[in-house]
Amino acid sequence: TQLLEQSPQFLSIQEGENLTVYCNSSSVFSSLQWYRQEPGEGPVLLVTVVTGGEVKKLKRLTFQFGDARKDSSLHITAAQPGDTGLYLCAGAPSGGSEKLVFGKGTKLTVNP
Amino acid sequence: NAGVMQNPRHLVRRRGQEARLRCSPMKGHSHVYWYRQLPEEGLKFMVYLQKENIIDESGMPKERFSAEFPKEGPSILRIQQVVRGDSAAYFCASSPTGVYGNTIYFGEGSWLTVV
Repeated sequence: TQLLEQSPQFLSIQEGENLTVYCNSSSVFSSLQWYRQEPGEGPVLLVTVVTGGEVKKLKRLTFQFGDARKDSSLHITAAQPGDTGLYLCAGAPSGGSEKLVFGKGTKLTVNP
Repeated sequence: NAGVMQNPRHLVRRRGQEARLRCSPMKGHSHVYWYRQLPEEGLKFMVYLQKENIIDESGMPKERFSAEFPKEGPSILRIQQVVRGDSAAYFCASSPTGVYGNTIYFGEGSWLTVV
């Protein structure tokens, strides 16, 4: 069974600080997706990384896929209160399965 | 271009009743997935369907749960004889190409409460 471990589980920081969220596995994934979920709503796709070592930027968010395609990170620069939410990583298993494997999420709170 | 539509958004059922959750995928999307999210847990895969076919139901409990995606109409997730442990958020997702096309979109979820 493929698992994705996310850390930290909870993160509370002040506005303007930087932060990094990690998503790790012992398994290889063909791609990895990051989502943000607000309370009472569904996950919203932020980015998909496909190639080992790939780096993608979305404004103040930087996503990286590990060289071996087993891990990923999300870095937020100068966090703002609007970044508050639950961040989820999800991996598409190598081997053809259509099941996304989700981490448990990182609950981020950015205080003004 | 409407997103993935789920209804009802909130559903309360007494133990032993049936729950029916509906999902209309995005236009042009033939791949539908159902996931369940328990409190403090990540999303867990339940079932993957294409039009009129169940492709992978390995994440769905063998008893009381069923899913369909008919030729016409929405996908339905049906839970018979609900128990308190079925209380969760159920999310539907759709894709035009499957997860390997890297375009999969989630609905806003259906929150089931069993009392």
